[in-house]
Amino acid sequence: DTAVSQTPKYLVTQMGNDKSIKCEQNLGHDTMYWYKQDSKKFLKIMFSYNNKELIINETVPNRFSPKSPDKAHLNLHINSLELGDSAVYFCASRPTLAGAFYEQYFGPGTRLTVT
Amino acid sequence: AQSVTQLDSQVPVFEEAPVELRCNYSSSVSVYLFWYVQYPNQGLQLLLKYLSGSTLVKGINGFEAEFNKSQTSFHLRKPSVHISDTAEYFCAVSESRGTSYGKLTFGQGTILTVHP
Repeated sequence: DTAVSQTPKYLVTQMGNDKSIKCEQNLGHDTMYWYKQDSKKFLKIMFSYNNKELIINETVPNRFSPKSPDKAHLNLHINSLELGDSAVYFCASRPTLAGAFYEQYFGPGTRLTVT
Repeated sequence: AQSVTQLDSQVPVFEEAPVELRCNYSSSVSVYLFWYVQYPNQGLQLLLKYLSGSTLVKGINGFEAEFNKSQTSFHLRKPSVHISDTAEYFCAVSESRGTSYGKLTFGQGTILTVHP
């Protein structure tokens, strides 16, 4: 009964490769996010989707492309991986209901190591 | 634009002692405030949140925080800590309207280490 799940949990790959991280939530939420946590544990938002529509796109290299096939899934594809992409990537979701604000629920994270 | 500053990067404390983790924020509009906890190699878990109403909010595991609008602060407190509270704590803010609505901005994190 996992709420927000991510696969894989660990990903080790070489520079220049292309990889994807998948996120799924079974909470019925309609807004999903990707965050990057760097080696200093600093968390920064990358993208947000609401009902499959991109609503937040921070200053992220265009090698990163999010894709939301439906409102329960938000995947992150990374092209031409670089050493600096090594980080923990967190997916999150929250409901958006008129007149109320709800907190975000986070997945367990995917630790990406680029060698 | 919103920003969050956690004033202490590390806080060591002995078991059963009280603790306060400090958080200040900056925003041009009203905000929602959150504290999340991250245990080693795990995701983030919500400790507590301030959306509106009473400025003193209580969360899980005996933690509480007080929203102070005039000082733009949201400090986290616990009267008596346990070894199991050792973790990293993140303060976060989301603007209540505007283009940053729904977007969480995090502080740099505070590592709480509880010693026996």
